[in-house]
Amino acid sequence: QKEVEQDPGPLSVPEGAIVSLNCTYSNSAFQYFMWYRQYSRKGPELLMYTYSSGNKEDGRFTAQVDKSSKYISLFIRDSQPSDSATYLCAMKGLNYGGSQGNLIFGKGTKLSVKP
Amino acid sequence: DGGITQSPKYLFRKEGQNVTLSCEQNLNHDAMYWYRQDPGQGLRLIYYSQIVNDFQKGDIAEGYSVSREKKESFPLTVTSAQKNPTAFYLCASSNPRGGAETQYFGPGTRLLVL
Repeated sequence: QKEVEQDPGPLSVPEGAIVSLNCTYSNSAFQYFMWYRQYSRKGPELLMYTYSSGNKEDGRFTAQVDKSSKYISLFIRDSQPSDSATYLCAMKGLNYGGSQGNLIFGKGTKLSVKP
Repeated sequence: DGGITQSPKYLFRKEGQNVTLSCEQNLNHDAMYWYRQDPGQGLRLIYYSQIVNDFQKGDIAEGYSVSREKKESFPLTVTSAQKNPTAFYLCASSNPRGGAETQYFGPGTRLLVL
């Protein structure tokens, strides 16, 4: 079983729809959870960061972490064509230093929001 | 503006040639990373460095080399031993003392083989 699983999509939705993106993971030591957005041929940009369990909201974006289920989600409300991108989840444990301190990435979900 | 720069944007490599990708950051971050991104493969870690003059192999280090002589710079050399170098290469940096080690990425270099 891979450490982080993410459905690659592609996911196509109409403008204004609510989008749900998800990742599952197997390592119970993960404590930090991030979502990155990557436009085509660009570097990923940090979208949301969450520590441990709970929800975090930023504008149209909400990140949820359920550590008991080892499941994280990113919700996008009122989706716009400009949200069309690949969304990568990433996570890591508390350790600093060594390979245990590095981020583990999902493979990314490609989202297309149609006008 | 603070950030991470990578150059060149596109790079062409001939058979048997070593090429070097540049990565510079002015965020005063201690840690720097190199990733390779292939379609459907996600991000794979090549090398990382948590402090000047020290670096560690990632998951796919074979055929690559790095140096970290300055805090701001972490160049990656793709050697002739890397038989399938065509990919999108991403450099990142983070500040471990910030706690989360959130990584910030550069714009990437696309390497193509002639």
